[in-house]
Amino acid sequence: DADVTQTPRNRITKTGKRIMLECSQTKGHDRMYWYRQDPGLGLQLIYYSFDVKDINKGEISDGYSVSRQAQAKFSLSLESAIPNQTALYFCATSVGTGGQETQYFGPGTRLLVL
Amino acid sequence: DAKTTQPPSMDCAEGRAANLPCNHSTISGNEYVYWYRQIHSQGPQYIIHGLKNNETNEMASLIITEDRKSSTLILPHATLRDTAVYYCIALYSSASKIIFGSGTRLSIRP
Repeated sequence: DADVTQTPRNRITKTGKRIMLECSQTKGHDRMYWYRQDPGLGLQLIYYSFDVKDINKGEISDGYSVSRQAQAKFSLSLESAIPNQTALYFCATSVGTGGQETQYFGPGTRLLVL
Repeated sequence: DAKTTQPPSMDCAEGRAANLPCNHSTISGNEYVYWYRQIHSQGPQYIIHGLKNNETNEMASLIITEDRKSSTLILPHATLRDTAVYYCIALYSSASKIIFGSGTRLSIRP
């Protein structure tokens, strides 16, 4: 079984709709992240959470919100989807030990906003 | 986190060593150099990381210059499955976030 799972894997929605992307992990990591990737570009950080009570904005948080329901679950919501939010979305977890941190990524959610 | 600079693209013949460079001239003493790769829209995959010394694992080797201002990721015997975008990142675990740049698109030719 995958350590980091994302649902749904693909989603088509219409402008103005509210949608939620979900991420679950079985790695037991405290830190979780949401990124988006546009075609041909690198990853941009949307939100990140260092534990259940900690939520932080990333580079491009406008138009998005998150919820850390439990250590293992981190959801990303688009309150009112717009076409330029069409992208590939990745969830990641990490653990930092001794000054080192490695991220583990989910398989991604491909979102199309019409 | 220190900014990193990578060439946008490179190619390598199958079976040869692929050497991917990364400049991180503003890296601080406690920042590690990490390498990830992303194979065609899959989630990025951790490859290797290091602080000062050269590192090797089953996937690759990492050579860090003595002044730590640059590094090279070496894939010793590149295969077609190594075709991917490779990201070099400098960070310390207490950093608030991890920033991926545009990376290097590595193409392996048969």
